[in-house]
Amino acid sequence: LAKTTQPISMDSYEGQEVNITCSHNNIATNDYITWYQQFPSQGPRFIIQGYKTKVTNEVASLFIPADRKSSTLSLPRVSLSDTAVYYCLVGGGSQGNLIFGKGTKLSVKP
Amino acid sequence: GAVVSQHPSWVICKSGTSVKIECRSLDFQATTMFWYRQFPKQSLMLMATSNEGSKATYEQGVEKDKFLINHASLTLSTLTVTSAHPEDSSFYICSASRDHGPMVETQYFGPGTRLLVL
Repeated sequence: LAKTTQPISMDSYEGQEVNITCSHNNIATNDYITWYQQFPSQGPRFIIQGYKTKVTNEVASLFIPADRKSSTLSLPRVSLSDTAVYYCLVGGGSQGNLIFGKGTKLSVKP
Repeated sequence: GAVVSQHPSWVICKSGTSVKIECRSLDFQATTMFWYRQFPKQSLMLMATSNEGSKATYEQGVEKDKFLINHASLTLSTLTVTSAHPEDSSFYICSASRDHGPMVETQYFGPGTRLLVL
């Protein structure tokens, strides 16, 4: 299973765009990249998933370079409610297992 | 779509008793369900993987006789913590895996169950 590396924490202000980058150098051919958001005492919430290039949904964008050894979650115009821990996971292919790293604690300030 | 529920949301029990936690996929059939444990300020730790109708696969260091997993249907999995002790107090989270085509499965997580063993 591919190991991921993310910054431990990030600070931002309301209204800014936040980009969280994740490294996954040994990603396998059939691995997808998935990002989750977790608030205290809640289960992780699916944000976005991608395989290559760019994926966008109503809450975020995911940028994946051609070599797929990293990915960047982009949160446009964050608000205080986006303060949470964000996890980047690699896997989800035929085997389904996901291994959680330490995640990135995002703090959004007014 | 892709809603996963857990019951109960929190439970307090005496040391030595057993506690059962249910995990349900409400609007889809889950090919696989997973159980995680999360201690305060730590990441989620995978405990076991279960497929409907077969025995669960436990991660290294997780006692299968203590954490009994039953996956009786494609929408229900249960985790029973047997003879619970205070060190078993934790946040237990399940997830259910949903196919999105032949190459990718996505895990959707339940809200978690807070267990406190006195």
